[in-house]
Amino acid sequence: DTEVTQTPKHLVMGMTNKKSLKCEQHMGHRAMYWYKQKAKKPPELMFVYSYEKLSINESVPSRFSPECPNSSLLNLHLHALQPEDSALYLCASSQSWSRGTYGYTFGSGTRLTVV
Amino acid sequence: QKEVEQDPGPLSVPEGAIVSLNCTYSNSAFQYFMWYRQYSRKGPELLMYTYSSGNKEDGRFTAQVDKSSKYISLFIRDSQPSDSATYLCAAAHGISNFGNEKLTFGTGTRLTIIP
Repeated sequence: DTEVTQTPKHLVMGMTNKKSLKCEQHMGHRAMYWYKQKAKKPPELMFVYSYEKLSINESVPSRFSPECPNSSLLNLHLHALQPEDSALYLCASSQSWSRGTYGYTFGSGTRLTVV
Repeated sequence: QKEVEQDPGPLSVPEGAIVSLNCTYSNSAFQYFMWYRQYSRKGPELLMYTYSSGNKEDGRFTAQVDKSSKYISLFIRDSQPSDSATYLCAAAHGISNFGNEKLTFGTGTRLTIIP
């Protein structure tokens, strides 16, 4: 299994809603990532978890709250979002690069629209 | 100045042509370089990765890194309509033993192969 699975694929939410994005991988990767991608822009790093601990937080607003319940799962909890938060949210995972394999495996993303 | 610069295109070439995609970077600490392909409304897919300077070939794809000039290239031979996508270059320091690397992406080049 060489996939990163994200659910839902599409999400429309109001500015007062609370929702969660989910990500799952079964490749044994110990690093997992959340990226945000606006149209025609490169992915921007939001959070990195390493061994289920938050290791990088790129000063993301508190309305985004990540959670890593175990080594295979990564969640992104959303609350009181703004229309400008509408984007493609990408989850990725990677193993230790010292094993000779570099780069991330990305999921297909959740397309989020905030109304 | 962005750490990784990439011509956004768009780039259109006829089927069968050789495609050259390029990036430059400014951070001398980058050691790992990657190319991702992203189809519309999908997550990025890792195509090639290289460590330090040199060439790497995989089928119709060749990645080149010249660290002396801080130049990254991807060549696609015998281009096919299915190669139409956005191509993102990325770079990383590669200092983490745990795989929790931050990738710095270029802006992406939109490529269209005309049948």
